[in-house]
Amino acid sequence: AQSVTQLDSQVPVFEEAPVELRCNYSSSVSVYLFWYVQYPNQGLQLLLKYLSGSTLVKGINGFEAEFNKSQTSFHLRKPSVHISDTAEYFCAVSGDNFNKFYFGSGTKLNVKP
Amino acid sequence: NAGVTQTPKFRVLKTGQSMTLLCAQDMNHEYMYWYRQDPGMGLRLIHYSVGEGTTAKGEVPDGYNVSRLKKQNFLLGLESAAPSQTSVYFCASSFSSPETQYFGPGTRLLVL
Repeated sequence: AQSVTQLDSQVPVFEEAPVELRCNYSSSVSVYLFWYVQYPNQGLQLLLKYLSGSTLVKGINGFEAEFNKSQTSFHLRKPSVHISDTAEYFCAVSGDNFNKFYFGSGTKLNVKP
Repeated sequence: NAGVTQTPKFRVLKTGQSMTLLCAQDMNHEYMYWYRQDPGMGLRLIHYSVGEGTTAKGEVPDGYNVSRLKKQNFLLGLESAAPSQTSVYFCASSFSSPETQYFGPGTRLLVL
């Protein structure tokens, strides 16, 4: 089975500063990787995904992530955050059973003015 | 185009009671999923379906049953609710797998 580790449960950052949210996964087979964002009292929305091809993936709202197979990581980055980026971010992986998705425990991003 | 909708939005049950959560999608998606979200644990897959008439167990299926009689609907049932089933339940759907999942707004369930 897959597993996903999000190392930081909370990340405080000032507005316009860069941010990196870390995600590591365990898998011995090919994987598909996703980042979702959840705003308060809402469902999850897809930010970006890696299925194949370029290891640098660009998503919505200025976010990007890099798939690093040797380090089994898929960290999410944004060069300059806004107050509106305050939300919880979830990394997810699908691999040996493509019908199953495994989510990390989430990272709460708190952007301060 | 409503996307994925969930009914009800909030429910309180007593231990031992039963209930059914309804998920509906209007995107003609083949795949549908039920997750539960608990603090500090992210989302865990309960059951999923790869097409009308099919269901399969996810990561935490015990205490739940599901049915997919129509392509657009995916029902999650609790036959005898327990306090451990207090959670937020999310339904999702996707065209195929592993593709983008579209999530509903969630159902908050409190079991006393």
